[in-house]
Amino acid sequence: QVQLQQSGTELVKPASSVKISCKASGYTFTSNYMHWIRQQPGNGLEWIGWIYPGNGNTKYNQKFDGKATLTADKSSSTAYMQLSSLTSEDSAVYFCARLGTEDYWGQGVMVTVSS
Amino acid sequence: DIQMTQSPSSMSASLGDRVTITCRASQDIGNYLSWFQQKPGKSPRRMIYGATNLAAGVPSRFSGSRSGSDYSLTISSLESEDMAIYYCLQSIQYPWTFGGGTKLELK
Repeated sequence: QVQLQQSGTELVKPASSVKISCKASGYTFTSNYMHWIRQQPGNGLEWIGWIYPGNGNTKYNQKFDGKATLTADKSSSTAYMQLSSLTSEDSAVYFCARLGTEDYWGQGVMVTVSS
Repeated sequence: DIQMTQSPSSMSASLGDRVTITCRASQDIGNYLSWFQQKPGKSPRRMIYGATNLAAGVPSRFSGSRSGSDYSLTISSLESEDMAIYYCLQSIQYPWTFGGGTKLELK
């Protein structure tokens, strides 16, 4: 069965970076777009962008240009999102999701930015 | 960016009620509109795609409709398991944008 398993909770310091992962199983990783979505505490959903692991192509929400970098490792069927220059505004839950004719979501990763 | 204005932001209703939530798009999005349900501590779940199509496994009491630039999600007879936050999403133009959400609570 299709599963997206995300990495664990992160507590990181301001101005640092963090890289969260999303390990896919149960389907052809290279043939499906992987989306990333942010949910700030008590807030709604924001689409960050997608990566197509088959060729590494990416599409970003301009709002996250310079903030989020999406990569994928075909050998381990894992998608990654690196967030840089972290501030308290980046504290949020981050989801990976395969969106299409059938949707699959990771469980979400809570990132807390605090000194 | 396309703005999705969702209303109401919250509402309370009784079991068995008919409930309607609306999203208005700032530009033409055709039928590239989905509705998601999110329960506390859970990942979102798509309920409706293509404005009017029921996603697999979604109860038939849920339905989607469109009138011009207004898109609606209707629950014909509210059940306790429907208490959640609902979001619309447009996917015709990048960046994809969500509505602000509607929190549905039991009266």
